[in-house]
Amino acid sequence: KQEVTQIPAALSVPEGENLVLNCSFTDSAIYNLQWFRQDPGKGLTSLLLIQSSQREQTSGRLNASLDKSSGRSTLYIAASQPGDSATYLCAVNSGGYQKVTFGTGTKLQVIP
Amino acid sequence: GAVVSQHPSWVICKSGTSVKIECRSLDFQATTMFWYRQFPKQSLMLMATSNEGSKATYEQGVEKDKFLINHASLTLSTLTVTSAHPEDSSFYICSARDQGTYTLSNTEAFFGQGTRLTVV
Repeated sequence: KQEVTQIPAALSVPEGENLVLNCSFTDSAIYNLQWFRQDPGKGLTSLLLIQSSQREQTSGRLNASLDKSSGRSTLYIAASQPGDSATYLCAVNSGGYQKVTFGTGTKLQVIP
Repeated sequence: GAVVSQHPSWVICKSGTSVKIECRSLDFQATTMFWYRQFPKQSLMLMATSNEGSKATYEQGVEKDKFLINHASLTLSTLTVTSAHPEDSSFYICSARDQGTYTLSNTEAFFGQGTRLTVV
């Protein structure tokens, strides 16, 4: 059974800092991995999708890397802004029916 | 990207009544859809896998008689919470993949906006 863990569970940083969110998964036989953000009381916003054959993906100030063999992914946020405050979820696509297993989430607060 | 529409976005119901949530893939066909539940301050947990034309597959601990899933077409899956109770209050969200691009290299899951259910 795939298990996905995110560290840290919560993070508070001053505006402008670069930061790294970590995601680890137990079964390396994955199809892809997605990073989402979720604002309080809201749905999911897809940020980046990394296929199993890829090492990283970039979108604006976001960069996600994937090391499938070690079961790890990181989300790098450059020059953080207060608008980046949200909960960040990584989700791993693996197994039969290609189920998506979500991580425990990292709650980010960027202080102005 | 592909669009998944979920309706309603929020609902309040009385204890003991049933509530139906719809999940539609608007511009693609989806043989398989997934239903998730999220309790406050927790992550999303897979409840069941909805298969078009056949019975849904439920995760361990999810009552199939309480959470009825119907996937009658390639673009619509419904989740009915029967005899809802306050402990069923949660955020429910569905996802689907584009059947037309179902390959190992393109398997992005698209998510609905979610439904916040409050049972009073």
